[in-house]
Amino acid sequence: EPEVTQTPSHQVTQMGQEVILRCVPISNHLYFYWYRQILGQKVEFLVSFYNNEISEKSEIFDDQFSVERPDGSNFTLKIRSTKLEDSAMYFCASREGDPEAFFGQGTRLTVV
Amino acid sequence: DQQVKQNSPSLSVQEGRISILNCDYTNSMFDYFLWYKKYPAEGPTFLISISSIKDKNEDGRFTVFLNKSAKHLSLHIVPSQPGDSAVYFCAASAWGGSNYKLTFGKGTLLTVNP
Repeated sequence: EPEVTQTPSHQVTQMGQEVILRCVPISNHLYFYWYRQILGQKVEFLVSFYNNEISEKSEIFDDQFSVERPDGSNFTLKIRSTKLEDSAMYFCASREGDPEAFFGQGTRLTVV
Repeated sequence: DQQVKQNSPSLSVQEGRISILNCDYTNSMFDYFLWYKKYPAEGPTFLISISSIKDKNEDGRFTVFLNKSAKHLSLHIVPSQPGDSAVYFCAASAWGGSNYKLTFGKGTLLTVNP
């Protein structure tokens, strides 16, 4: 069964460093998303991406965040200068046309 | 800003009985509702959904009920199985361009006891 895959599963980084979280969405999907879940809190929308551009972003998605679809298969989230409060589980999701989004297993980002 | 609320952080039921998970929402623009199941260290897994034009959707042991006037939905699992033990998230979306971003509740931890 097709699935969304994310790498790495766990990333530890020092405050102020850049990180890139990688995702391979399901191949025929057209809409791509990043969500995050801080420990003990709800899953929050970060950004949506369609037709090679951002379609919507949340207040969390400030200038230190960026997304890219560098080729036909990968979808990346870059955090330019990480802060302690960026520590969270980051989930990539994709969907074809229906509203149901399919999620990857997540990347646990720990900023120290 | 809790647009989607799951007021029960946990629920414990016996195997074979019915599990009922509840969800309330405040945003009248929401027109599509989804339930996801999540195991520890995994991503949310889509379970079942319902459009606002319906009041019930059934898939095997899972049924979702929507009461638009009360802005309330519920997920029924019958019969409950130990493998159903997980965190269940209610999510809602509103048609806006081509987006369908999801707004999640905080989740309910379901424990099904053998």
